[in-house]
Amino acid sequence: AQTVTQSQPEMSVQEAETVTLSCTYDTSENNYYLFWYKQPPSRQMILVIRQEAYKQQNATENRFSVNFQKAAKSFSLKISDSQLGDTAMYFCAFMKHAHNDYKLSFGAGTTVTVRA
Amino acid sequence: GAGVSQSPSNKVTEKGKDVELRCDPISGHTALYWYRQSLGQGLEFLIYFQGNSAPDKSGLPSDRFSAERTGGSVSTLTIQRTQQEDSAVYLCASSRRQGEQPQHFGDGTRLSIL
Repeated sequence: AQTVTQSQPEMSVQEAETVTLSCTYDTSENNYYLFWYKQPPSRQMILVIRQEAYKQQNATENRFSVNFQKAAKSFSLKISDSQLGDTAMYFCAFMKHAHNDYKLSFGAGTTVTVRA
Repeated sequence: GAGVSQSPSNKVTEKGKDVELRCDPISGHTALYWYRQSLGQGLEFLIYFQGNSAPDKSGLPSDRFSAERTGGSVSTLTIQRTQQEDSAVYLCASSRRQGEQPQHFGDGTRLSIL
């Protein structure tokens, strides 16, 4: 089984500043996917960014970027130029790259509050 | 519809009652997933459907939980003889085919057991 650990229950950041969320995972798989999902108070989970383990280049989506360290099994999310709309719970998730096993394993989440 | 639709949005029921939660995936999506989110926790996988294949039920916590998907579209998650520990938000997600990301999530059903 895969374990995803988010060690920061809560983070607070000033608007326009940068915040980094940590995520570590444990797996014996060599090929897999990693994701960061955002969950605002509306409850709907929204995909922020994804990373395929076989790609060495870190994924970037506008103000969101990751630092993927495969050997260390670390997958942190950096939010640059934080905006009030970034306030949400953020979940790190893992998915095997395996036939017929497409379920996501999630961390416990980090609540991010952006202060005006 | 444009997104994954779940109903009801909120459900309050007494311990021991049965409940049914509904998920209507995005049209054309063949893969459907159910997750449970307990208060302040991450999502826990429950069950996964892909087309006409046998579902992956490996995440169902007990035999009180069951799910079906009729006609490859709408899915119903049933919890029998509800217990207080069943209180959680139940989230449904779909994707065009198995393994494809992202999984598109609905807004969930908040279930409260009194």
